[in-house]
Amino acid sequence: QSVLTQPPSVSGAPGQRVTISCTGSSSNIGAGYDVHWYQQLPGTAPKLLIYGNSNRPSGVPDRFSGSKSGTSASLAITGLQAEDEADYYCQSYDSSLSGPWVFGGGTKLTVL
Amino acid sequence: QVTLKESGPVLVKPTETLTLTCTVSGFSLSNARMGVSWIRQPPGKALEWLAHIFSNDEKSYSTSLKSRLTISKDTSKSQVVLTMTNMDPVDTATYYCARILTVAAPFDYWGQGTLVTVSS
Repeated sequence: QSVLTQPPSVSGAPGQRVTISCTGSSSNIGAGYDVHWYQQLPGTAPKLLIYGNSNRPSGVPDRFSGSKSGTSASLAITGLQAEDEADYYCQSYDSSLSGPWVFGGGTKLTVL
Repeated sequence: QVTLKESGPVLVKPTETLTLTCTVSGFSLSNARMGVSWIRQPPGKALEWLAHIFSNDEKSYSTSLKSRLTISKDTSKSQVVLTMTNMDPVDTATYYCARILTVAAPFDYWGQGTLVTVSS
């Protein structure tokens, strides 16, 4: 059972927009700690996709965006492409015994 | 260029102790606020944070695994070592090391991971 809750799977057709939610609690996201997102392509290590809730590292397309509100965060992907098919994980800092670093359970994105 | 690379045994037997090494380059383990964590991922499952060592040698461990884990570093060799005792088949996973600059920052660089299988 992951501390941060994500939907197990989402899907969308090429060109569409999808969102992935990440729900936490008052000891992590709700406490004001930043949310970060990682993309994990099959057979590879996670790669930082969004940091500090809504910032993109150099090289990440602006099709990827992040937001945070209250105890939740979201990752949005617009203009879906086949290469976006991957697992996505949210991560934050947690001040309870669950932490200090916690991940979501991951969301599998399927491009139809 | 920042890189991290994990090394260690591919196969360990139940009850044995696992020792993994993370060799870093492109930054120094003694740099202020620089830290390295170990994170694992069982096949088909989610990421799980295990342990962290800060530049000042302060350590932090997953509450659920604290009794079995030890993290240490050799700054001169640019290496971070994780030991996990009493290995069990449920510990079969890909083990990653990753860099983090401050406690609330992201894991900005990851190693490629090393798959460890626990089986007799």
